[in-house]
Formats: sequence, structure tokens, C-alpha cells
Amino acid sequence: DTAVSQTPKYLVTQMGNDKSIKCEQNLGHDTMYWYKQDSKKFLKIMFSYNNKELIINETVPNRFSPKSPDKAHLNLHINSLELGDSAVYFCASSGTPAGRDEQYFGPGTRLTVT
Amino acid sequence: AQTVTQSQPEMSVQEAETVTLSCTYDTSESNYYLFWYKQPPSRQMILVIRQEAYKQQNATENRFSVNFQKAAKSFSLKISDSQLGDTAMYFCAFTYQGAQKLVFGQGTRLTINP
Repeated sequence: DTAVSQTPKYLVTQMGNDKSIKCEQNLGHDTMYWYKQDSKKFLKIMFSYNNKELIINETVPNRFSPKSPDKAHLNLHINSLELGDSAVYFCASSGTPAGRDEQYFGPGTRLTVT
Repeated sequence: AQTVTQSQPEMSVQEAETVTLSCTYDTSESNYYLFWYKQPPSRQMILVIRQEAYKQQNATENRFSVNFQKAAKSFSLKISDSQLGDTAMYFCAFTYQGAQKLVFGQGTRLTINP
């Protein structure tokens, strides 16, 4: 029983294309996140949603648009992909906004832009 | 702004040895939480251990324990009787009540040699 799932796990695409990554959690959590892990393994928050409402947008280019159709899903749409967008993108969820509760991470989506 | 620093990019020890990974952080918050996450080659992020700042007692989870020095803003992870399966990237992470995100250190790549 996967707690946080992401699709696809791998995504290879060309510059200028538009792509989406889907995330679903079956933990009943209210808060979901997107993190980006760059080529040096550095992890940084991109977005945080609580009860389908955007809470944090951490200076992410507006080519990135998250969408939360319901509390169990947080999708990431990326327009006009650039080489620098190549990274691993992690979805995560927690029972409450980040605090004492553990964040559960999905398996990650490795995006390669050529 | 909160920052997390891991000063050891890489470490390598023999199986069954004890190893300590360092982490320091900077914050003006008083109600905060610290975590160590493990990322094996599978890419999955796995919570290893958690420490609440208000607790003076150091957290332990089986072979994993922390040395939390609040005044020094230090949060090191000790792995006892290391096993081959402990080979992974280890990330120190910080959050505070209401932060809505985790702030990660740069990571330490730990290799356990047979």
C-alpha cells in the first residue's frame, strides 16, 4: 500500500515542452508539498499546500503551476521546460503543516530536459 | 532565515563501526524540530530520527541516536554497529511550528564498506 505515489517516475522531454507530474497520498493528510532535488542532491521546498490552498511558493518561476484538485492530490505542471529544470522532484505530505509531524515522501520523479 | 549546514560531504567507515554525522543549524525560533532523513540509492526519502527542541533527552531509534546540543545549535547523528544497508545520503532537516516546509542541509554521503 503506497502512502505517497508519484507518476511518472522518469520523464525525459525536450526544451520548450510542457509536462505534468502527478502526486497522490492515501494517508488522509491535509498538507502536501513539492520539493526539488538538484544535481548536487540539494533539496529545496517549492510549494506547500494545506487543505487545497497554496501556503508557500518559494520563489519558483511561474512556469511551474501546482494544482490541488482535492486534499489527496497535488499535481505539478511545468510550462516551457528549460535545461535547468532537470532535477528530481519529490512530493510529500504531512498530517499538519510542517512541525512535529513527519513528512512522508513519494519516490521522486527524475525529470531530464534535453 | 533558517539554515542547516552539514560540513561532511562524504564519509566512509567499515561495517560494524560507529560513525557520527555532523549538522549545525541557525534559527531564532524557539519551538522547532530536527530530523535526519536517509536517501539510499533507491532515491526514497526515509525518516531516520526526529528531535523536538523542547525535549532535553536525546532521541534514539535502535542503532541510531542523536546528540542534540541546543545552545551550540548542533544536531549530530550517531550510527552504531553500522551495516551495509546504511549506505546512503543522509540529510539533516529543520522546521518550526507553522513553517510549512523542511529546510535541508547539503547532505552527507555515507558509505559502509564490508
